[in-house]
Amino acid sequence: QVQLVASGGGVVQPGRSLRLSCATSGFTFSNTAMHWVRQAPGKGLECVSLITYDGTNTLYADSVKGRFTISRDISKNMLYLDMSGLRPEDTAVYYCARENRLHYGYYDYWGQGTLVTVSS
Amino acid sequence: EIVLTQSPATLSLSPGERATLSCRASQSVSSYLAWYQQKAGQAPRLLIYDASNRATGIPARFSGSGSGTDFTLTISSLEPEDSAVYYCQQRSNWPFTFGPGTKVDIK
Repeated sequence: QVQLVASGGGVVQPGRSLRLSCATSGFTFSNTAMHWVRQAPGKGLECVSLITYDGTNTLYADSVKGRFTISRDISKNMLYLDMSGLRPEDTAVYYCARENRLHYGYYDYWGQGTLVTVSS
Repeated sequence: EIVLTQSPATLSLSPGERATLSCRASQSVSSYLAWYQQKAGQAPRLLIYDASNRATGIPARFSGSGSGTDFTLTISSLEPEDSAVYYCQQRSNWPFTFGPGTKVDIK
């Protein structure tokens, strides 16, 4: 079955960096677009970044553009989010999410989320 | 950025009642709208895509309608397990955006 397992969250000081990882299994990772979606504590959902199935195209929310980098390793079925220049407002649960192959732009499977806390 | 607004913010109903949730977009998203259910401590679950199509495994009591800027999620007969926050999401333009959510409480 499809599984997405996010990891790498933790407590980090403002201005520092962190790498999130998402281990995937149960589907053909190499032909599926992937996303990171975050949720601040007690708040709604925000689409952070997407990467196309082959990694050739990426998009970012304005709030993270220039600070976050999404990537994927098809040989390892892994998705990553490199976050730098972290700010307190980046504090959130970060979910990796699979984009439905037939219905572009919708998230049909989600990881369990990993909590990032930016605080001094 | 397309802004989605949802109403009401909270809905408190009894089992068996009908729930009607609204989502309005700041500009047309055609039919490129989804609905998700999020229970406490869990990741969201896709319910409806392209405004009116149920996702795999979603019970028939969930239905969606609308196009352009106005959309509705209807739960025809509430079950206790439907207690959750419901979000709409558009994929018409990047950044994809979510509404602020409607919390459904089951009395």
